[in-house]
Amino acid sequence: RKEVEQDPGPFNVPEGATVAFNCTYSNSASQSFFWYRQDCRKEPKLLMSVYSSGNEDGRFTAQLNRASQYISLLIRDSKLSDSATYLCVVNWDFGNEKLTFGTGTRLTIIP
Amino acid sequence: DGGITQSPKYLFRKEGQNVTLSCEQNLNHDAMYWYRQDPGQGLRLIYYSQIVNDFQKGDIAEGYSVSREKKESFPLTVTSAQKNPTAFYLCASSARARNEQFFGPGTRLTVL
Repeated sequence: RKEVEQDPGPFNVPEGATVAFNCTYSNSASQSFFWYRQDCRKEPKLLMSVYSSGNEDGRFTAQLNRASQYISLLIRDSKLSDSATYLCVVNWDFGNEKLTFGTGTRLTIIP
Repeated sequence: DGGITQSPKYLFRKEGQNVTLSCEQNLNHDAMYWYRQDPGQGLRLIYYSQIVNDFQKGDIAEGYSVSREKKESFPLTVTSAQKNPTAFYLCASSARARNEQFFGPGTRLTVL
């Protein structure tokens, strides 16, 4: 089983729709969770951290389900500029800054 | 402006040559990392350093070397021993015990 697993997509979604991605992780001891976005041929950029209680930043909501070992990202009222690859990222041990990256879910917003 | 810089943006190398990729950060971060990304694949960790004068191998360290003589700098050398060096190389840094990593713009290395 992969350490961090994501549906690669592509997800083709009309502008204004709501879209959700899930990501599963294999290590129950994982401590920190993040979503990054990566535009084509660019570096990944931190979108948001994922907290145990769930967190929201504008149109983006991230949630963590420790029992089922997955994190989710919900994008509401999607914009054309949301088109990107979304990377799920997990850290095993809070004292060790080493992160494990999923292969990403590709999202295209259609006008 | 604080950030991470990588140079050059594009690099072409003849087979059998060593090449060094630059990574500099002025964020005062303790930890720095090198990743490689191949088309359609996720990021794979090459080397990381949590403190000056110390570094550890990542998942795919063979054929690469690093140094960490200064907090701000973490250069990566791609040696001729690396079998398939053509890739997108990304440098990142993070503050101690914060975990979030911030990336430089990357270097695209092509071996001819």
